[in-house]
Amino acid sequence: SSELTQDPAVSVALGQTVRITCQGDSLRSYYANWYQQKPGQAPVLVLYGKNSRPSGIPDRFSGSGSGVTASLTITGAQAEDEADYYCGHRDSSDNHRVFGGGTKLTVL
Amino acid sequence: QVQLEQSGSEVKRPGASVKVSCKASGYLFTSYAFSWVRQAPGQGLEWVGWVSSYSGNTYSAQRFQGRVTMTADPSTSTAYMELRALRSDDTAVYYCVRDRGDLFDHWGQGTLVSVSS
Repeated sequence: SSELTQDPAVSVALGQTVRITCQGDSLRSYYANWYQQKPGQAPVLVLYGKNSRPSGIPDRFSGSGSGVTASLTITGAQAEDEADYYCGHRDSSDNHRVFGGGTKLTVL
Repeated sequence: QVQLEQSGSEVKRPGASVKVSCKASGYLFTSYAFSWVRQAPGQGLEWVGWVSSYSGNTYSAQRFQGRVTMTADPSTSTAYMELRALRSDDTAVYYCVRDRGDLFDHWGQGTLVSVSS
């Protein structure tokens, strides 16, 4: 099955821009989806496909991808964006799903 | 609105089985599959497997094959996951998730399963 790799931790100053990345060979063929998880809560889908946001997700969240790397960018990070972020997608078998290890975002 | 309501926390002995339920509402049950995802304390997300609400077909991650059974009952709009031969490292929060095939768009609140002697 596919593997997705994320940096364990990233920090950003309040109001600044931060990029969280996800790497894996499968990303040449599939878009990554991004999930935000705050402490004690279930994950929430924040980005999917090429660069789509579910209803209610602020437009400061955007996505991009190139080659084996997918990125989630937060433009003007807010205190409430402090959370764990996971990338994930369906792998080439269509039956298997895979997650990255997660990135802990700290907003300073 | 879409809601996934999971059953309550469970405490089990090693070797026992646990069955977690997930009642769906707010959409046509048979239109989407369910995946089950777990998260051990302080760890990341781990996909367990999925079940088609329409056909009942299932597929699980290799490490759970033979130990997990997933079902979906359209008559009650409820999905189930049973995990057998529990070990201490099965202690985790188990989430049911609406699986659109390419992404997980709605998550249940999670069910804590604790395995301890």
